[in-house]
Amino acid sequence: KAGVTQTPRYLIKTRGQQVTLSCSPISGHRSVSWYQQTPGQGLQFLFEYFSETQRNKGNFPGRFSGRQFSNSRSEMNVSTLELGDSALYLCASSSGLVANTGELFFGEGSRLTVL
Amino acid sequence: GEDVEQSLFLSVREGDSSVINCTYTDSSSTYLYWYKQEPGAGLQLLTYIFSNMDMKQDQRLTVLLNKKDKHLSLRIADTQTGDSAIYFCAEANAGNNRKLIWGLGTSLAVNP
Repeated sequence: KAGVTQTPRYLIKTRGQQVTLSCSPISGHRSVSWYQQTPGQGLQFLFEYFSETQRNKGNFPGRFSGRQFSNSRSEMNVSTLELGDSALYLCASSSGLVANTGELFFGEGSRLTVL
Repeated sequence: GEDVEQSLFLSVREGDSSVINCTYTDSSSTYLYWYKQEPGAGLQLLTYIFSNMDMKQDQRLTVLLNKKDKHLSLRIADTQTGDSAIYFCAEANAGNNRKLIWGLGTSLAVNP
């Protein structure tokens, strides 16, 4: 069974640009969660999607958005990039809602550098 | 609000036991999890424990839960260099639309 796939793995952007990251969950998984990981802040929850609906959201500004498609693939977008957005963005899939299962399967992440 | 705390670093010698500690504040937690992140990789679920259990053992891993003190620990027996990683503690409350609450992670260094 293929794992969680995130693309791109690495990318460099400049301030003010926007970026779109993609995540393909494990086949059959309907929940996709996104996290931002930085050395100082640890793992910060961005949002969770389940059956194309955002079910939960972390404390990030509106520049961070996401969506989920009917095949459960998900994208997240960050607009007007700031230097502080440099981070590893992790996607995780789960068979059900995260709060009910807690068993997340993570991708290897997309490392974003903002210059 | 809910919080999960872990010490940031732990260093052990190869072959010794490692104990990684975690405290949490949510008294209605139902599940508590340990995830491992190796360098350059995503997180992987190591083990979890239901809140009505005191202990769970899985090969070299032993999880102890003290619900009264809201303290969770992960013991790794016979620690190997391949165990060097960041270990995250997370807790879940199975209410509607509740998210996992994560600790900052404990970086375990295993010295030969």
